[in-house]
Amino acid sequence: GAVVSQHPSWVICKSGTSVKIECRSLDFQATTMFWYRQFPKQSLMLMATSNEGSKATYEQGVEKDKFLINHASLTLSTLTVTSAHPEDSSFYICSARPVGRGVKETQYFGPGTRLLVL
Amino acid sequence: AQTVTQSQPEMSVQEAETVTLSCTYDTSESDYYLFWYKQPPSRQMILVIRQEAYKQQNATENRFSVNFQKAAKSFSLKISDSQLGDAAMYFCASAGTSYGGSQGNLIFGKGTKLSVKP
Repeated sequence: GAVVSQHPSWVICKSGTSVKIECRSLDFQATTMFWYRQFPKQSLMLMATSNEGSKATYEQGVEKDKFLINHASLTLSTLTVTSAHPEDSSFYICSARPVGRGVKETQYFGPGTRLLVL
Repeated sequence: AQTVTQSQPEMSVQEAETVTLSCTYDTSESDYYLFWYKQPPSRQMILVIRQEAYKQQNATENRFSVNFQKAAKSFSLKISDSQLGDAAMYFCASAGTSYGGSQGNLIFGKGTKLSVKP
């Protein structure tokens, strides 16, 4: 149980294009989903928190117009990297927190999406 | 504000031996949770163990156990009978529960790379 998928797992795009990454909770409903960014050999950095049906909350320093987050349902959140540039190349990981005890509930992670912008 | 510190960038253990990974944290929250996550080369984040701060008893999960010292704000992970499959990055994380603040967001340490020698 508690499986989270991400699609695509790997994407290469040209500079200036937009890329959409999907995060799905497969066997549970998630009120809250999180998006992280991980640079090589570094820790996970929280980018934003998305709640179903409301606007995402972005961490300080994260451009909300560049990283568009939509949490359309209790099982799907999307991250769109708009006008991607080489510095946006990174490993993006989502996690989902099951409906239940709210903030006390454990997060479950997706397998990540590797983005390479040429 | 919450911080998590892992002072050991790399550790090594002989197969079947025991190893302890260190973690210290700081938080202003009165109710919080602590976690150890494992990230193997596949980069899938896997929950190893979770500790609720209000519980004095140390959490255990098979070969994995923690030494939770609340007053010292220390949360170490002990891996017994180490196996080759335990080789991975290990991240310590904390999450507060206040709705007005971090809303259960995970704060990660920088990680410890564990190698297991056959």
